[in-house]
Amino acid sequence: DQQVKQNSPSLSVQEGRISILNCDYTNSMFDYFLWYKKYPAEGPTFLISISSIKDKNEDGRFTVFLNKSAKHLSLHIVPSQPGDSAVYFCAAKTGYQKVTFGTGTKLQVIP
Amino acid sequence: KAGVTQTPRYLIKTRGQQVTLSCSPISGHRSVSWYQQTPGQGLQFLFEYFSETQRNKGNFPGRFSGRQFSNSRSEMNVSTLELGDSALYLCASSPSQGAERTQYFGPGTRLLVL
Repeated sequence: DQQVKQNSPSLSVQEGRISILNCDYTNSMFDYFLWYKKYPAEGPTFLISISSIKDKNEDGRFTVFLNKSAKHLSLHIVPSQPGDSAVYFCAAKTGYQKVTFGTGTKLQVIP
Repeated sequence: KAGVTQTPRYLIKTRGQQVTLSCSPISGHRSVSWYQQTPGQGLQFLFEYFSETQRNKGNFPGRFSGRQFSNSRSEMNVSTLELGDSALYLCASSPSQGAERTQYFGPGTRLLVL
């Protein structure tokens, strides 16, 4: 039972354009959402997060949007750079409970 | 500051064997979490240890166990290995329990079960 779903296994974007990575969740108890980036042969690194009391959080080129009614969040990267090419994981949690991860989306930014 | 280290980095075992993986957290970090990454399931949480006590556990069978030592180093053990246990096992440390924003992952141990 996949409570956090990333339905696009891969995404290709031209350098300088916007990358939009999507994530859907089924558990309405989730109150905190995170995005991680993972390069090959390395562990994931925390990228950005959002609390359920907000609908948008921005950090430089990265913005996360949360639509609670649709149980959907997205990560926008503007402008996309070749160094952004990685696997992006969406994750969600409730309080001190365990984090539930999605299956990941592989982003390729084409120079 | 040294990062999270995991040993060994690669491991090949056969079905029915057992395996122990090791994780050394960042100095000063007291929480260690373990994850299993597979292509079909993505990252799945195994368990979290804080101050030598298991604080959270994912939905894995009892064949998967772990422990944490007084120096915060952690080990994960899988007994009676199955083919489906082939995966990348990631360890992550953070200063406190549940602190995902300040969680740092190790490079992982890739386990292949034949």
